[in-house]
Amino acid sequence: AAGVIQSPRHLIKEKRETATLKCYPIPRHDTVYWYQQGPGQDPQFLISFYEKMQSDKGSIPDRFSAQQFSDYHSELNMSSLELGDSALYFCASSLGRDSSYEQYFGPGTRLTVT
Amino acid sequence: KQEVTQIPAALSVPEGENLVLNCSFTDSAIYNLQWFRQDPGKGLTSLLLIQSSQREQTSGRLNASLDKSSGRSTLYIAASQPGDSATYLCALLYGNKLVFGAGTILRVKS
Repeated sequence: AAGVIQSPRHLIKEKRETATLKCYPIPRHDTVYWYQQGPGQDPQFLISFYEKMQSDKGSIPDRFSAQQFSDYHSELNMSSLELGDSALYFCASSLGRDSSYEQYFGPGTRLTVT
Repeated sequence: KQEVTQIPAALSVPEGENLVLNCSFTDSAIYNLQWFRQDPGKGLTSLLLIQSSQREQTSGRLNASLDKSSGRSTLYIAASQPGDSATYLCALLYGNKLVFGAGTILRVKS
């Protein structure tokens, strides 16, 4: 079965640079979530989209923005990168926002800021 | 604000032992609870999902229970194997987002 696809899998950037992470949800899934997991920490919710509209927002810095496109894939744009942005970024998708729908996670993008 | 606590933080057991991982939460207004497995530096693998109306779910050697009234969930692993070594995270669907615990690092010794 198709899973959530994230690209790139690894990314190395320097401070103050910009990074774009992409997420392709499971086919027919219309809801996308982004999570950030710092070294040795638990994943923290950043932002979610349902039917191309932002549906919820967590602890996402103002330097970050995201959107969901007409084909339901999503991109997380990160500007003015800081060392503290180094983390594993997960995307998850679900079919709708109903509470009974499970979130399926992608393999993550490991961002290293030097 | 929902807070999720997992106990113990780390656990080391000999192969073949049955074990229980604990997860507690402060707000019972959850929609569901998921248990995940994470290998070092890797992604999250969903193990079990329990809807808020359910009491338990089973998959192979894994059994997860949920008691909303007491704010607790347990993950029971039977006949542990070295391949079970990983970090186990519980996460609650709170609103539209998952709130994670800090995880239990499990090591099963052969």
